[in-house]
Amino acid sequence: AQKITQTQPGMFVQEKEAVTLDCTYDTSDPSYGLFWYKQPSSGEMIFLIYQGSYDQQNATEGRYSLNFQKARKSANLVISASQLGDSAMYFCAMREHNTGGFKTIFGAGTRLFVKA
Amino acid sequence: NAGVTQTPKFQVLKTGQSMTLQCAQDMNHNSMYWYRQDPGMGLRLIYYSASEGTTDKGEVPNGYNVSRLNKREFSLRLESAAPSQTSVYFCASSEGRREAGELFFGEGSRLTVL
Repeated sequence: AQKITQTQPGMFVQEKEAVTLDCTYDTSDPSYGLFWYKQPSSGEMIFLIYQGSYDQQNATEGRYSLNFQKARKSANLVISASQLGDSAMYFCAMREHNTGGFKTIFGAGTRLFVKA
Repeated sequence: NAGVTQTPKFQVLKTGQSMTLQCAQDMNHNSMYWYRQDPGMGLRLIYYSASEGTTDKGEVPNGYNVSRLNKREFSLRLESAAPSQTSVYFCASSEGRREAGELFFGEGSRLTVL
């Protein structure tokens, strides 16, 4: 069964500092994708970054990077130089193939608070 | 750029009433999904449709039905609403055929069942 675990319900970070949001996953499928999404207080879901299970290098997108440790089944999101606008909920997600096709499941999320 | 459009955005129902949430995407995506979001529980997959003509259960399908009307549209029906179905519902779509398919979300529909 698929499972995504985010153990940090809430995190605080000082503006301009870096922060790591943790995510572990569980799957027996050798091929899968890992994602992070951001949900601001306005409620929309915003795609941030993707990592494929066969990718050798960690994904990066601007200030976002994904620390992928396949053997440990972890996919932590690193946000560098935090900004006030980074305050939001962050969700880790995994996509893998199922008998019904590809589906994506989410973790419970981490709420990030950026302090000025 | 409409992307994923879902209606209605807000709805209040009484226990036992039925309703349908509509979702349409204009990105020619094969796959469409319905999620519900409850506080502290992230997004949970209700049903999904990998391609036109197919639907499959997700993590929390009980109490819901879906219809993939065509490639663009995927509706979610509550036949007899219960207070436990009070939630925010998100429709999403993606390129269906690979692990890298990011989800594109609608704005969400807030449903309250009294």
